[in-house]
Formats: sequence, C-alpha cells, structure tokens
Amino acid sequence: DSGVTQTPKHLITATGQRVTLRCSPRSGDLSVYWYQQSLDQGLQFLIQYYNGEERAKGNILERFSAQQFPDLHSELNLSSLELGDSALYFCASSVGWTTDTDTQYFGPGTRLTVL
Amino acid sequence: AQTVTQSQPEMSVQEAETVTLSCTYDTSESDYYLFWYKQPPSRQMILVIRQEAYKQQNATENRFSVNFQKAAKSFSLKISDSQLGDAAMYFCAYLWNDMRFGAGTRLTVKP
Repeated sequence: DSGVTQTPKHLITATGQRVTLRCSPRSGDLSVYWYQQSLDQGLQFLIQYYNGEERAKGNILERFSAQQFPDLHSELNLSSLELGDSALYFCASSVGWTTDTDTQYFGPGTRLTVL
Repeated sequence: AQTVTQSQPEMSVQEAETVTLSCTYDTSESDYYLFWYKQPPSRQMILVIRQEAYKQQNATENRFSVNFQKAAKSFSLKISDSQLGDAAMYFCAYLWNDMRFGAGTRLTVKP
C-alpha cells in the first residue's frame, strides 16, 4: 500500500458525459500527479500540482482539467467523454517538486470505461 | 525531448534464476532520476528502485539492482533469485521536469 488513495476504483459512463476522479496523496506529500494508461498510448503524464498550484503540464486534453484543494487532495475532471478516453488513470504523490529528490508513489488507479 | 526505450516487450525467467531487463533513454540533461516500476495484474504501479543520475554507485534493493551507465544512457534492472511474485509488467521511467515511461517489459516467471 503506497498511501495514495484513489476513488472510485471503477467508473463506467457514456460518451459525452463528465466524470470526476479523486485522489488523496500520502500524508506529508505536497505534489500530486495524474497519469493516463491506455493500450495504444502507454503510460502518459497529464499534469502535476504542487501545494495547490499547477506545476507541470503534459499531454492533457483541453476537455480534461484538474485542481488541488487546500487539504491537498486532487480531482481530475474529464468532460465530453469519448470512447478513446477509456483508460486507467493513476494519481501519484511526492513530497516536493519533480526536480527535487523525490520519489513518486502511485495510487491503485481508477479504471474508466466509456461506452 | 526525453524518450525512454525498453527494447524487450517480453522476457521469461526460471524461478530462482537471474534476469536483466534493458532500458535506454535519451536526454541532454545531466541531473535527472531514473526509476523502475512494477505493475502486477492488479494494475497498481509499485516502485521497485530509483537511481539519481549524479550518483555513480548503482542502486540496490534486496534482490533488485541496476546497472546505470550514464554515458551510454543505459539503465538496466537485474532481478536475482526470481520469484513467482515477480511476474509483472516492468516500466522504466525517466524524471527531469516530468516523468516519461518506456513501453514496458512483460516478465514471466516459470516454476
């Protein structure tokens, strides 16, 4: 158990819908990262937040957005869902910034299925 | 752009034997971090080992060790005394500004 929690574990929804994925980092970690793992694209970095502010952005679609709240939990919002958005979404956390001596600890993931 | 290449889509090892998984990466940076993650059938990502590029000494974690060759931009993972529970997908990852992953190597452990 990495200490990172993600809810829900599974999510099934229809195209065009909007969903919210939630992540709670390990106690003491200030950074939260979101990743998408799909069969065709592999594991891709989406976005990072550090202490409530966006720190780095990867291959995140405009239909997707994220935020980190004062209690440091984070939410990833996916809207206008398409079939291709079906994937495993991971959250990871670390103490500081990616350029520091930090290890990212991954949560168990949320499996999103878009029908 | 930083890219990570795992040239072995699949590997197989006999229980109790040793196996080495390969990883190469491309970067112009001098200070960065490298990781091996394990993804078992449960799909959770589990950190196996990490290596700081500024350290010349190869990292070791129990049965897991790395051969880090900075000039060659190579970062291989050696698993000694392989166990059935080691069967999983293994991802090599490079971290500088953000994390980049290789495509993964599926490791099968034969009893």
